Amino acid sequence: GQQVMQIPQYQHVQEGEDFTTYCNSSTTLSNIQWYKQRPGGHPVFLIQLVKSGEVKKQKRLTFQFGEAKKNSSLHITATQTTDVGTYFCAGPSGGSYIPTFGRGTSLIVHP
Amino acid sequence: EAQVTQNPRYLITVTGKKLTVTCSQNMNHEYMSWYRQDPGLGLRQIYYSMNVEVTDKGDVPEGYKVSRKEKRNFPLILESPSPNQTSLYFCASSPRTIQETQYFGPGTRLLVL
Repeated sequence: GQQVMQIPQYQHVQEGEDFTTYCNSSTTLSNIQWYKQRPGGHPVFLIQLVKSGEVKKQKRLTFQFGEAKKNSSLHITATQTTDVGTYFCAGPSGGSYIPTFGRGTSLIVHP
Repeated sequence: EAQVTQNPRYLITVTGKKLTVTCSQNMNHEYMSWYRQDPGLGLRQIYYSMNVEVTDKGDVPEGYKVSRKEKRNFPLILESPSPNQTSLYFCASSPRTIQETQYFGPGTRLLVL
């Protein structure tokens, strides 16, 4: 079945440093979604990418979808303590209605 | 306010005692689903529903039941809970399909003794 690998599992950064998490799927994804979960909270939708090679930006966050639609990345520029949380990617492959979530990358920002 | 609500938020129970976790959304969404979240395993889908009276298994359906009698409600039923069902459960909804934004409820933390 489809597998979605997300690395790294944890990332410690100093406030102001950049951060990147990577998502790789064993199968082609029809789209990919990114979610953020704050400690003790619930996943909150950030963005969806659909097109091959798509790049979207939200302030300091840059999201990319690979050309083969099998990988994606989230890059945060100049992290802030408010960026703390776990970032998940998720995507259904083909016509599947079962989304596969990556295991998430937990970002810890040290002031 | 558009939201997904779950009840209870916290529950401690004993093995074998049937329980129901309710989920309700006020956004007229067609698609609803249940996930469990365990440390290091991310979110795994238990069941989903495309619309009223239409439900299907996700990745980890064993030991769970669901029903979708009304569009807004999607309860999760554990007929005979076991300790391996101790987890954090999230309900989610989206307008039509999984390929649209999912809105998650606040979560239900379940401990089965």
